[in-house]
Amino acid sequence: EAGVAQSPRYKIIEKRQSVAFWCNPISGHATLYWYQQILGQGPKLLIQFQNNGVVDDSQLPKDRFSAERLKGVDSTLKIQPAKLEDSAVYLCASSLGLAAETQYFGPGTRLLVL
Amino acid sequence: GEDVEQSLFLSVREGDSSVINCTYTDSSSTYLYWYKQEPGAGLQLLTYIFSNMDMKQDQRLTVLLNKKDKHLSLRIADTQTGDSAIYFCAEVDTDKLIFGTGTRLQVFP
Repeated sequence: EAGVAQSPRYKIIEKRQSVAFWCNPISGHATLYWYQQILGQGPKLLIQFQNNGVVDDSQLPKDRFSAERLKGVDSTLKIQPAKLEDSAVYLCASSLGLAAETQYFGPGTRLLVL
Repeated sequence: GEDVEQSLFLSVREGDSSVINCTYTDSSSTYLYWYKQEPGAGLQLLTYIFSNMDMKQDQRLTVLLNKKDKHLSLRIADTQTGDSAIYFCAEVDTDKLIFGTGTRLQVFP
């Protein structure tokens, strides 16, 4: 069974530029998560989708971050404009359903903002 | 507030046992998880324990849960160099995972 796929693996941009990340969850997984992991810290949830609806985006900086999962499968996370403090690893995870279901993580996209 | 705490570093000799500790805050967490992260990789689920259990063993891994003290530990028996990684504990809080800061395990020959 294929795991969670993410691209690109690495991205370097200058501040104020835009960037987008893509995630393809495990087939059949209804719930998709985006996490931000700053160096030396644990992952922090940015947004959670159930199919194509948002369940929790309370930690998403909505002035610059946006995410969508239009057909309930793939998802994109966008940052516009990027700030230096957005440098982090962006992890995508998926699970079968909600409520304490085991989450499976992709390899992450490492973003460096200069 | 939510705050899952772990010690930052642990160094052990190959073949010894490693014990990684975690203190969590939400007594209503139904599951508690241990994830492993190798350099440049995502998080790999190692094991989890249901909150009504106090111990779970899975090959070289033993998880101990003390609900009274909100303390979780992961014991790795016969630690190998391939076990060198960052280990995260996580608790469930209203359908989302709250991760600790991670413990970097270094295994030396």
